[in-house]
Amino acid sequence: KNQVEQSPQSLIILEGKNCTLQCNYTVSPFSNLRWYKQDTGRGPVSLTIMTFSENTKSNGRYTATLDADTKQSSLHITASQLSDSASYICVVSADQAGTALIFGKGTTLSVSS
Amino acid sequence: EAGVAQSPRYKIIEKRQSVAFWCNPISGHATLYWYQQILGQGPKLLIQFQNNGVVDDSQLPKDRFSAERLKGVDSTLKIQPAKLEDSAVYLCASSGRPGQYSNTIYFGEGSWLTVV
Repeated sequence: KNQVEQSPQSLIILEGKNCTLQCNYTVSPFSNLRWYKQDTGRGPVSLTIMTFSENTKSNGRYTATLDADTKQSSLHITASQLSDSASYICVVSADQAGTALIFGKGTTLSVSS
Repeated sequence: EAGVAQSPRYKIIEKRQSVAFWCNPISGHATLYWYQQILGQGPKLLIQFQNNGVVDDSQLPKDRFSAERLKGVDSTLKIQPAKLEDSAVYLCASSGRPGQYSNTIYFGEGSWLTVV
Protein backbone atom coordinates (compact mmCIF):
# COMPACT_ATOMS: atom_id res chain seq x y z
CA LYS A 1 0.00 0.00 0.00
CA ASN A 2 1.32 3.44 -0.95
CA GLN A 3 1.96 5.42 2.20
CA VAL A 4 3.84 8.51 3.32
CA GLU A 5 4.73 8.77 7.00
CA GLN A 6 6.02 11.96 8.59
CA SER A 7 7.69 12.60 11.91
CA PRO A 8 7.49 14.21 14.31
CA GLN A 9 3.79 14.99 14.27
CA SER A 10 4.52 18.36 15.87
CA LEU A 11 7.57 20.33 16.89
CA ILE A 12 8.24 23.46 18.91
CA ILE A 13 11.54 25.32 18.53
CA LEU A 14 12.98 28.70 19.46
CA GLU A 15 13.47 31.35 16.84
CA GLY A 16 16.90 31.13 15.26
CA LYS A 17 17.29 27.40 15.85
CA ASN A 18 17.55 24.76 13.14
CA CYS A 19 15.27 21.76 12.78
CA THR A 20 14.83 18.68 10.62
CA LEU A 21 11.59 17.07 9.59
CA GLN A 22 11.44 13.45 8.42
CA CYS A 23 9.48 11.69 5.71
CA ASN A 24 9.45 7.95 5.01
CA TYR A 25 7.52 6.55 2.10
CA THR A 26 6.46 3.24 0.63
CA VAL A 27 5.32 4.35 -2.80
CA SER A 28 5.88 2.44 -5.98
CA PRO A 29 6.54 3.36 -8.65
CA PHE A 30 8.30 6.50 -7.48
CA SER A 31 8.30 9.60 -9.62
CA ASN A 32 9.18 12.52 -7.39
CA LEU A 33 8.97 13.81 -3.84
CA ARG A 34 7.70 17.24 -2.88
CA TRP A 35 7.67 19.28 0.28
CA TYR A 36 4.86 21.76 0.80
CA LYS A 37 4.40 24.45 3.43
CA GLN A 38 0.85 25.12 4.57
CA ASP A 39 0.17 28.15 6.71
CA THR A 40 -2.92 28.00 8.91
CA GLY A 41 -5.98 28.79 6.84
CA ARG A 42 -4.07 28.82 3.55
CA GLY A 43 -3.46 26.41 0.73
CA PRO A 44 -0.19 24.43 0.48
CA VAL A 45 2.73 26.14 -1.23
CA SER A 46 5.45 24.17 -2.95
CA LEU A 47 8.94 24.35 -1.39
CA THR A 48 10.90 21.74 -3.33
CA ILE A 49 10.46 18.96 -5.87
CA MET A 50 13.05 16.19 -6.16
CA THR A 51 13.22 13.43 -8.72
CA PHE A 52 14.79 10.02 -8.32
CA SER A 53 18.25 11.20 -9.30
CA GLU A 54 18.37 14.23 -7.02
CA ASN A 55 19.83 13.93 -3.52
CA THR A 56 19.37 17.46 -2.28
CA LYS A 57 17.59 20.65 -3.22
CA SER A 58 17.52 24.01 -1.51
CA ASN A 59 15.03 26.86 -1.44
CA GLY A 60 16.42 29.66 0.69
CA ARG A 61 16.64 28.44 4.28
CA TYR A 62 14.91 25.18 3.37
CA THR A 63 17.01 22.19 2.26
CA ALA A 64 15.43 18.90 1.30
CA THR A 65 17.33 15.63 0.97
CA LEU A 66 16.26 12.40 -0.65
CA ASP A 67 17.60 8.86 -0.26
CA ALA A 68 15.72 6.83 -2.85
CA ASP A 69 17.37 3.61 -1.67
CA THR A 70 16.04 3.85 1.87
CA LYS A 71 12.93 5.77 0.74
CA GLN A 72 13.57 8.58 3.16
CA SER A 73 13.53 12.34 2.83
CA SER A 74 14.20 15.15 5.23
CA LEU A 75 13.50 18.87 5.26
CA HIS A 76 16.03 20.97 7.12
CA ILE A 77 15.14 24.49 8.16
CA THR A 78 18.04 26.77 9.02
CA ALA A 79 17.87 29.78 11.35
CA SER A 80 14.13 29.44 11.89
CA GLN A 81 11.86 32.48 11.85
CA LEU A 82 8.43 33.07 13.35
CA SER A 83 7.00 32.93 9.84
CA ASP A 84 8.17 29.33 9.51
CA SER A 85 5.37 28.30 11.87
CA ALA A 86 3.21 26.13 9.64
CA SER A 87 2.42 22.57 8.64
CA TYR A 88 5.00 20.91 6.39
CA ILE A 89 3.63 18.21 4.14
CA CYS A 90 5.64 15.55 2.34
CA VAL A 91 4.08 14.41 -0.92
CA VAL A 92 5.23 11.54 -3.13
CA SER A 93 4.16 11.15 -6.71
CA ALA A 94 3.42 7.62 -7.85
CA ASP A 95 3.22 8.08 -11.59
CA GLN A 96 5.44 9.29 -14.38
CA ALA A 97 3.29 12.33 -15.01
CA GLY A 98 3.80 13.40 -11.43
CA THR A 99 0.11 13.85 -10.84
CA ALA A 100 -0.85 10.85 -8.66
CA LEU A 101 0.08 12.36 -5.29
CA ILE A 102 0.30 10.53 -1.97
CA PHE A 103 0.19 13.02 0.91
CA GLY A 104 1.64 12.65 4.37
CA LYS A 105 -0.29 14.02 7.32
CA GLY A 106 2.24 16.77 7.87
CA THR A 107 4.45 18.01 10.68
CA THR A 108 3.19 21.06 12.56
CA LEU A 109 6.08 23.38 13.37
CA SER A 110 5.75 26.17 15.92
CA VAL A 111 8.55 28.71 16.18
CA SER A 112 8.48 30.80 19.32
CA SER A 113 10.40 33.93 20.29
CA GLU B 1 0.56 35.51 -12.59
CA ALA B 2 -2.79 35.04 -10.87
CA GLY B 3 -3.08 32.01 -8.63
CA VAL B 4 -5.83 29.43 -8.26
CA ALA B 5 -9.02 31.21 -7.21
CA GLN B 6 -11.67 29.58 -5.05
CA SER B 7 -14.99 30.70 -3.66
CA PRO B 8 -16.60 30.91 -1.26
CA ARG B 9 -13.80 30.90 1.34
CA TYR B 10 -16.13 29.93 4.16
CA LYS B 11 -19.50 28.23 4.26
CA ILE B 12 -21.64 26.97 7.12
CA ILE B 13 -24.63 24.79 6.28
CA GLU B 14 -26.93 22.41 8.05
CA LYS B 15 -26.73 18.69 7.41
CA ARG B 16 -28.77 17.51 4.46
CA GLN B 17 -28.41 20.90 2.75
CA SER B 18 -26.44 21.36 -0.45
CA VAL B 19 -23.36 23.46 -1.19
CA ALA B 20 -21.29 24.28 -4.25
CA PHE B 21 -17.69 25.41 -4.51
CA TRP B 22 -16.14 27.12 -7.49
CA CYS B 23 -12.56 27.02 -8.74
CA ASN B 24 -10.76 29.00 -11.41
CA PRO B 25 -7.34 27.47 -12.14
CA ILE B 26 -4.24 29.25 -13.31
CA SER B 27 -4.67 30.32 -16.91
CA GLY B 28 -3.57 27.63 -19.33
CA HIS B 29 -3.37 24.84 -16.77
CA ALA B 30 -4.84 21.67 -18.20
CA THR B 31 -4.98 19.61 -15.01
CA LEU B 32 -7.33 20.50 -12.19
CA TYR B 33 -7.72 18.73 -8.85
CA TRP B 34 -10.18 18.84 -5.99
CA TYR B 35 -8.88 17.72 -2.60
CA GLN B 36 -10.61 17.29 0.74
CA GLN B 37 -8.52 18.15 3.80
CA ILE B 38 -9.88 17.23 7.20
CA LEU B 39 -8.33 19.06 10.14
CA GLY B 40 -5.01 17.50 11.13
CA GLN B 41 -4.69 15.38 8.00
CA GLY B 42 -3.11 15.70 4.61
CA PRO B 43 -5.27 16.43 1.56
CA LYS B 44 -7.17 13.55 -0.03
CA LEU B 45 -7.81 13.60 -3.76
CA LEU B 46 -11.48 13.68 -4.67
CA ILE B 47 -11.27 14.15 -8.42
CA GLN B 48 -8.72 15.00 -11.09
CA PHE B 49 -9.57 16.53 -14.46
CA GLN B 50 -7.42 16.69 -17.57
CA ASN B 51 -8.96 19.51 -19.60
CA ASN B 52 -12.68 18.67 -19.25
CA GLY B 53 -12.24 14.91 -18.89
CA VAL B 54 -12.08 12.99 -15.62
CA VAL B 55 -8.76 11.23 -14.97
CA ASP B 56 -9.40 9.91 -11.46
CA ASP B 57 -12.52 10.07 -9.32
CA SER B 58 -12.03 6.83 -7.45
CA GLN B 59 -12.25 8.50 -4.02
CA LEU B 60 -15.20 10.76 -4.80
CA PRO B 61 -18.32 9.74 -2.83
CA LYS B 62 -20.51 9.77 -5.88
CA ASP B 63 -23.75 9.32 -3.99
CA ARG B 64 -23.42 12.86 -2.66
CA PHE B 65 -20.49 14.56 -4.38
CA SER B 66 -20.35 15.70 -7.99
CA ALA B 67 -17.91 17.80 -9.94
CA GLU B 68 -17.72 19.19 -13.41
CA ARG B 69 -15.29 21.17 -15.47
CA LEU B 70 -17.13 22.61 -18.42
CA LYS B 71 -15.01 23.90 -21.30
CA GLY B 72 -11.87 22.71 -19.52
CA VAL B 73 -11.42 25.84 -17.44
CA ASP B 74 -13.50 26.58 -14.32
CA SER B 75 -14.78 23.79 -12.12
CA THR B 76 -17.51 23.34 -9.54
CA LEU B 77 -17.72 20.81 -6.76
CA LYS B 78 -21.15 20.10 -5.29
CA ILE B 79 -22.19 18.26 -2.17
CA GLN B 80 -25.81 17.18 -1.83
CA PRO B 81 -26.92 16.27 0.78
CA ALA B 82 -24.15 17.26 3.17
CA LYS B 83 -23.21 15.18 6.19
CA LEU B 84 -21.44 16.23 9.38
CA GLU B 85 -18.31 14.34 8.29
CA ASP B 86 -18.05 16.52 5.19
CA SER B 87 -16.77 19.35 7.37
CA ALA B 88 -13.35 20.03 5.88
CA VAL B 89 -11.35 22.34 3.68
CA TYR B 90 -11.88 21.77 -0.01
CA LEU B 91 -8.74 22.61 -1.93
CA CYS B 92 -8.59 23.18 -5.64
CA ALA B 93 -5.25 22.83 -7.39
CA SER B 94 -3.97 23.03 -10.93
CA SER B 95 -0.88 22.14 -12.91
CA GLY B 96 0.16 23.15 -16.36
CA ARG B 97 2.35 20.55 -17.86
CA PRO B 98 0.88 17.04 -17.90
CA GLY B 99 3.51 14.44 -18.49
CA GLN B 100 6.21 16.78 -17.28
CA TYR B 101 8.35 14.80 -14.87
CA SER B 102 8.24 17.29 -12.05
CA ASN B 103 5.47 19.73 -12.77
CA THR B 104 4.54 22.05 -9.95
CA ILE B 105 1.01 21.83 -8.58
CA TYR B 106 -0.45 25.08 -7.34
CA PHE B 107 -3.12 25.15 -4.67
CA GLY B 108 -5.86 27.65 -4.01
CA GLU B 109 -6.57 29.01 -0.54
CA GLY B 110 -9.34 26.53 0.01
CA SER B 111 -13.04 26.63 0.81
CA TRP B 112 -13.78 25.93 4.47
CA LEU B 113 -17.00 23.98 4.99
CA THR B 114 -18.66 23.47 8.34
CA VAL B 115 -21.70 21.23 8.47
CA VAL B 116 -23.81 21.61 11.60
